[in-house]
Amino acid sequence: NAGVTQTPKFRVLKTGQSMTLLCAQDMNHEYMYWYRQDPGMGLRLIHYSVGEGTTAKGEVPDGYNVSRLKKQNFLLGLESAAPSQTSVYFCASSHLMVNYGYTFGSGTRLTVV
Amino acid sequence: GENVEQHPSTLSVQEGDSAVIKCTYSDSASNYFPWYKQELGKGPQLIIDIRSNVGEKKDQRIAVTLNKTAKHFSLHITETQPEDSAVYFCAANQAGTALIFGKGTTLSVSS
Repeated sequence: NAGVTQTPKFRVLKTGQSMTLLCAQDMNHEYMYWYRQDPGMGLRLIHYSVGEGTTAKGEVPDGYNVSRLKKQNFLLGLESAAPSQTSVYFCASSHLMVNYGYTFGSGTRLTVV
Repeated sequence: GENVEQHPSTLSVQEGDSAVIKCTYSDSASNYFPWYKQELGKGPQLIIDIRSNVGEKKDQRIAVTLNKTAKHFSLHITETQPEDSAVYFCAANQAGTALIFGKGTTLSVSS
């Protein structure tokens, strides 16, 4: 049972390049979330999904897009990377929204130069 | 929306001492308050949570208390051990969306 798997684990991008971060969960969870973690800023919600085919904006959505075409996968896209998007990105999933604990992935460390 | 404040940002204790981390929240509609532990290079892991219908919950050496009137909740770790060293995050649910996290507390336990 893998839980939540994030790929890639590390990536270096040049300013203006695009990339997609993949999150996959095998727990049949309905809800999935993308957070970014920056020093001294905690975990900030980027986007979330309440089910297959649905997405919604979180606290810091600008510069990111997401898609949930399959229940088990939640993709985070950066169309034109900026140095301000240098961060550690965490995906999480939960069975029921909000009132139950999340299972987090191990993170993707992204550096934009 | 919900805003969660967490204090202190860093906490150093001696092995065997107790550690307390405090959080406040702004949205009176919040009713779920989890705590996560994050070890270096890993994702956060849920260690304990509390819902608004109870005031205290314990699990071995860790406990969480909730004061809904004052809108604050706290994590208590007793008999700290070096393996308790990590970053701890509190969170509160924002109605209809997702968990909003505090900025984290780095706990260092020295032996």
